[in-house]
Formats: sequence, C-alpha cells, structure tokens
Amino acid sequence: GEDVEQSLFLSVREGDSSVINCTYTDSSSTYLYWYKQEPGAGLQLLTYIFSNMDMKQDQRLTVLLNKKDKHLSLRIADTQTGDSAIYFCAEKTGGFKTIFGAGTRLFVKA
Amino acid sequence: DSGVTQTPKHLITATGQRVTLRCSPRSGDLSVYWYQQSLDQGLQFLIQYYNGEERAKGNILERFSAQQFPDLHSELNLSSLELGDSALYFCASSPGGLAGPTDTQYFGPGTRLTVL
Repeated sequence: GEDVEQSLFLSVREGDSSVINCTYTDSSSTYLYWYKQEPGAGLQLLTYIFSNMDMKQDQRLTVLLNKKDKHLSLRIADTQTGDSAIYFCAEKTGGFKTIFGAGTRLFVKA
Repeated sequence: DSGVTQTPKHLITATGQRVTLRCSPRSGDLSVYWYQQSLDQGLQFLIQYYNGEERAKGNILERFSAQQFPDLHSELNLSSLELGDSALYFCASSPGGLAGPTDTQYFGPGTRLTVL
C-alpha cells in the first residue's frame, strides 16, 4: 500500500548540518514535499521537488531524491535553534492523493 | 500566514458532547482537507471536499462528518466525543479538486480539541 516513513527524532548542534530522511512506496509519485511544523502551529510548506528531478536547492535547504530507492532527504545547512520543529515528508501519489509521513522531530542544541 | 483560517483555536468540552470546527480556505482554493493530529497516531487524513462535494475519504469515524458550503468554507462536526478524540485538527486547502501534480496543500493553524 501507499506509505511514507521517516525516523522520529534527530538531534544536532547549532551550526551543523541536519539531514532528515524519508522513504516512500509509490513508484508513480509525482511530487514530493517537505513541510515544517513549529510548536502550536500548522504545517508550513518548505519546499517540493518534482519526481523527475534529483536535487533542488533553496538557500539553506537541499532536497535530494533517489527515485530508484524511493528515498528523499532534506538537508538543512548551518542549522539554527529556530529550525527546531517537526518536519513532514509527503508524496503526491500517481493517484493524486497526498500521503504524509509521521514527522521527524528535529532538536537543535545550542 | 498560509491564508487558511480555522476557528476556534482551542476547544475544551466533555465526553459525549458535539462540537463544530470551522475552516475558511485560501482565496480561490476550491478544495478543503481535514486532518487529525494526535501524539500516538501522527497526522491522519480525514476527508476532502472539492467545490462542495466530497472528493476523498480517509480514516474518518462515523461519529464525525464534514461539509463544504457554497462560499467554500467547511465545517467538521464531531459528535459523541470520547477522550481519544482529543487532538489537533487541521484544515488545509488547495486550488484544484482534481489534485493534479501541482495541487499543493496549504495548512491552517489548527484547532486544539481537549475532551475531558
């Protein structure tokens, strides 16, 4: 069935790079998304990548897509305390549903 | 600010009661989605409406129902509430209902429901 999996927690030091990983199952996925949820807030769209791309860079964010392995990652360079949040990976399936992962909680230590 | 508004922000009620959560989508968006987020279940898709019609159904309980009105705002009705219904309820909206590849969802700030 359709599923998106992420690790639940990641802890990094301020200034280091963070890499959040995600795997998905639908090989006909069209778009893959990263959302950020800060405490007490809704999900905010961070970035997305079309499935025929390998990489997308947007300031401190780099998205890497390995379509063969159905693996998506989000790299945050120079991680700041303000980056502490839950990060959700999501895929737009070939059937045009959006499936969300359970979210990765990023802790940034000062 | 995503442009999606939800009211109320917080709601505290008792078991057995009925509540209504309200969502106004971004201007021009025709689709509205409802999600439930709890600590043990993560983000669960409940239901989607497009231009007033139900489009897709997820893990929505029979005690819950939703509708989308002609002005495109939506309401989620939760009845016979149980302790386990305590959660954050999010609404999201997107431009199209055919959910094409570029039909991205934008989320509201959520309603926190506490059932005592």
